[in-house]
Amino acid sequence: DTGVSQDPRHKITKRGQNVTFRCDPISEHNRLYWYRQTLGQGPEFLTYFQNEAQLEKSRLLSDRFSAERPKGSFSTLEIQRTEQGDSAMYLCASSYRDFGAYEQYFGPGTRLTVT
Amino acid sequence: SQQGEEDPQALSIQEGENATMNCSYKTSINNLQWYRQNSGRGLVHLILIRSNEREKHSGRLRVTLDTSKKSSSLLITASRAADTASYFCATEGRMDSSYKLIFGSGTRLLVRP
Repeated sequence: DTGVSQDPRHKITKRGQNVTFRCDPISEHNRLYWYRQTLGQGPEFLTYFQNEAQLEKSRLLSDRFSAERPKGSFSTLEIQRTEQGDSAMYLCASSYRDFGAYEQYFGPGTRLTVT
Repeated sequence: SQQGEEDPQALSIQEGENATMNCSYKTSINNLQWYRQNSGRGLVHLILIRSNEREKHSGRLRVTLDTSKKSSSLLITASRAADTASYFCATEGRMDSSYKLIFGSGTRLLVRP
């Protein structure tokens, strides 16, 4: 299967620790997105990459968050000094965009619990 | 923040009945998409309707779009227990070069066998 994969699927960490999540998009997709979803809410946009360039970051992405997409392939999202408010599902999505309308393909998500 | 609201927040129906969910949004859009999410999992794309389209069908799904009212509806006909999930509408902003999706708050659908 060549869908979007995320690792790990679940992460429990103590407040103040750093965590890193990985996303492997569909191989031919040039756009990669990170979203965050809290319980009972829809996903909220965090940041997006076109190839290796990070082109937009949401105000939700505080300076404790950093994302990379080296060589335009997989992406990592790191949260430093985690806080309990960071507990959420972190979703990655990818799409191929040339022109026209294309759907985004989502991974299964990484559920983060900060204790 | 969310783009808009979905209505109802929760819906419980009997298997075989139709389910209708509504979505309102705030800004001009390129397209509107509907996604399904099963209990704490990733989102699955259901259907995309462009801003110049008014209605679209896919299997048991029917989506309408009224850009003058900034609203959309998703109809699931002849529902099945397997349709139990949360349904989200998401919009792609017209002036947004990132093509990011802005999601609504979702409708939780329960289909009783």
